[in-house]
Amino acid sequence: GDSVTQMEGPVTLSEEACLTINCTYTATGYPSLFWYVQYPGEGLQLLLKATKADDKGSNKGFEATYRKETTSFHLEKGSVQVSDSAVYFCALPDSGGSNYKLTFGKGTLLTVNP
Amino acid sequence: NAGVTQTPKFRVLKTGQSMTLLCAQDMNHEYMYWYRQDPGMGLRLIHYSVGEGTTAKGEVPDGYNVSRLKKQNFLLGLESAAPSQTSVYFCASSASGRGYTQYFGPGTRLTVL
Repeated sequence: GDSVTQMEGPVTLSEEACLTINCTYTATGYPSLFWYVQYPGEGLQLLLKATKADDKGSNKGFEATYRKETTSFHLEKGSVQVSDSAVYFCALPDSGGSNYKLTFGKGTLLTVNP
Repeated sequence: NAGVTQTPKFRVLKTGQSMTLLCAQDMNHEYMYWYRQDPGMGLRLIHYSVGEGTTAKGEVPDGYNVSRLKKQNFLLGLESAAPSQTSVYFCASSASGRGYTQYFGPGTRLTVL
């Protein structure tokens, strides 16, 4: 079945450090791919998405490139801020009959220290 | 435009008690979902609905029931709460299925003693 695997955390960085959170997927075809973010005490919200291979999604300084060759969608940011401290989830839609469901990774907790 | 709202925000139950969590969305979305979030487990789908009057089981449906009598509301019920149901519950909605963004509510933190 479809699945996503993302790097386990927690990840702790200093402000202005570079961030990469790895995400790889297993799916039939080329589904859309998503990164969601959950700030402390809140629900998840969409951070960025890519709808086809080689697309790059970007938002709030974060980027992720849909790479079909390596079945990856790694999240990157060149200079993190304290306000980026959150849990990040990689996700993809179910490619089977129930294609309105999302499969989420287990989440990666990022803490950015001043 | 409030998006997705959940009631209540916090609740403490004793084992065996029942309760209903309410989710409401004002975006005219067809699809609605209930998830639970537990440490180290990510989000797991409990039940979902693809339209008014429809419901379906997700990954972890046991011990829960749902109803979607109105398009904008999706109710999650616990008939006889158990400590294993201590979790944070999130409701979400989306305009369509494949490739469309899900919008999440702020969550309900439930503790079962």
